[in-house]
This record gives sequence, structure tokens and C-alpha cells, in this order.
Amino acid sequence: GAVVSQHPSWVICKSGTSVKIECRSLDFQATTMFWYRQFPKQSLMLMATSNEGSKATYEQGVEKDKFLINHASLTLSTLTVTSAHPEDSSFYICSARKGALAEAFFGQGTRLTVV
Amino acid sequence: AQSVTQPDIHITVSEGASLELRCNYSYGATPYLFWYVQSPGQGLQLLLKYFSGDTLVQGIKGFEAEFKRSQSSFNLRKPSVHWSDAAEYFCAVVFSGNTPLVFGKGTRLSVIA
Repeated sequence: GAVVSQHPSWVICKSGTSVKIECRSLDFQATTMFWYRQFPKQSLMLMATSNEGSKATYEQGVEKDKFLINHASLTLSTLTVTSAHPEDSSFYICSARKGALAEAFFGQGTRLTVV
Repeated sequence: AQSVTQPDIHITVSEGASLELRCNYSYGATPYLFWYVQSPGQGLQLLLKYFSGDTLVQGIKGFEAEFKRSQSSFNLRKPSVHWSDAAEYFCAVVFSGNTPLVFGKGTRLSVIA
């Protein structure tokens, strides 16, 4: 199978600090990774698409300076929420695509709470 | 414009009853189609997918979905619902190539005794 591991599964941080979320493809090389955000009782909203070795492509309305995405290797992408505020509290989910296949595999998600 | 629609926000069914969750898309060609389930506070689990071929797709947990090109639909069905099926269900679409999944707004399923 194709396994994507996301870490941490939950995190609580103080307002003004930064938080890093990792997304790893455990048994395949992910040329493309996607980061989604999900508010309570809502659907998943795409934040950005990252390709290994290049800058992430952010969706309209997503602050790239606040949500830093790094895709340094074919098995790891990170999302850093900088200077977090309570309104950044949300469920963040990553997914990874194997080559040119349309199917993407999802991590377990990270519940971020900013206090 | 490319879009995916789940018309039902919330559905309640009795345990043992049949279920159909609707999904429609707007696109000029046949996209790649997926159904995911999400329990509260959890990640997504893939139920089934359609890329091509047989338009009736079997998935896990007794779910199936039928792709109907003429209706631009990919409805999810289950003949007999179990209480453990209560969750949020998302239809998702890849419209072309390496583009990301686009999710519908989701349908929350409640199961009553």
C-alpha cells in the first residue's frame, strides 16, 4: 500500500509561536504533495501544492509568508505555521501523490490549537 | 467552471436501511472520482474510486458507487447501513492530470436505531 504519515497528530501552541507539521510518504516517492485545511464541520480546502525541489503553489487567499511549505525531498514535506494566532486553529491534512497517478494518499491530519 | 457538488448536507437513515449519497460534478470530460469517509477528529479513508472501465465500482465496508456520465454523477450506495457508518462522507474529483483533489462540501450521515 501507500502510507502517508503526518506528525504531530495534535499540537497546542501559544499565540505568536511557530509550529511545524511534517508529512512523510513512507513507502513511495511523492513527487507532489498537497496541504489542506479543514474547519469544524466543513470540507477540506486546498492550501497549496508542493513539488519536490520547487516552490509551493499557493491557493488564492492563503498567505505564503504565514504558511511556509518546504518539500525538500521526495518523501517529506513540511508546513510551518508562523506567528500562529487563534484563528489559525484548525485541522491540517496533507496528501501525497505517487508519480503521475491521479490518486493521492492522505495523512492522518494534525489538529492545531493556538491559545 | 469545474466543481463538485454534494447536494445533501445531512442525511439520517435507520440502521439496516439502504443509503444513497449524491455527488455531481461539472466538467467537460470524465474526471477521476473518489469517495472518502471521515470520522470525527480523524483523517480520511478512501472508500472507492473510479478512473475508467466498469461504471459500477465496489469499495470497502460494503459501499459501491455508480458513475453515470449522462448525469455527471457518482452516487455512493450501501444496501444496509450499520450504526458504525455514521460519519462525514466526501466526494472528491481530480479533473485532469496532476491537479489536486477537489472536495465536495460533504454529507453528514446519522444512523438511528
